[in-house]
Amino acid sequence: KQEVTQIPAALSVPEGENLVLNCSFTDSAIYNLQWFRQDPGKGLTSLLLIQSSQREQTSGRLNASLDKSSGRSTLYIAASQPGDSATYLCAVIGNRGSTLGRLYFGRGTQLTVWP
Amino acid sequence: NAGVTQTPKFQVLKTGQSMTLQCAQDMNHNSMYWYRQDPGMGLRLIYYSASEGTTDKGEVPNGYNVSRLNKREFSLRLESAAPSQTSVYFCASSFTGNTEAFFGQGTRLTVV
Repeated sequence: KQEVTQIPAALSVPEGENLVLNCSFTDSAIYNLQWFRQDPGKGLTSLLLIQSSQREQTSGRLNASLDKSSGRSTLYIAASQPGDSATYLCAVIGNRGSTLGRLYFGRGTQLTVWP
Repeated sequence: NAGVTQTPKFQVLKTGQSMTLQCAQDMNHNSMYWYRQDPGMGLRLIYYSASEGTTDKGEVPNGYNVSRLNKREFSLRLESAAPSQTSVYFCASSFTGNTEAFFGQGTRLTVV
């Protein structure tokens, strides 16, 4: 069974800092990995999708990397802003057997960026 | 673009009542999902539909049924609601099972 872990569970930083969120998964048989943002009381907003054949994906101040063989991904946020405060979730999509086509989520990292 | 639309947004049920959560997407996606989100538990898959006419159980299917009415719509039914089903329910869709997934805004359900 696929297990996804996110570290740290919570992070509080001053505005302007560069920061790294970590995601690890136990089964490397994945199609891709997706990072989401969730604001309190809201749905999930897709940030980045990394295909299993890719090593990196960038969108604005966000950069996500993937090392499928070691079961790890990182989300790098440059020059953090208070508007980045949210919970960040990673999810992997399985590509075989009972995991095929299903998203498996970590429990998220709750980020607070203070002015 | 509407994306993934869920109704209702909020609902309070009494134990034993039934209800159906509706989900519709306008992106011509094939795969649709129902998740529940509970504090400290993360998002857990209830049911999954890879394409119109097919459904599969996820991690926590007990107490729920689903219908993939057509390509656009995927509904989740609680036949006899229990307090343990108090949660936030999210519907999601993707073009295929290995492409970017998009989520609705959620239904906050309380069973008293």
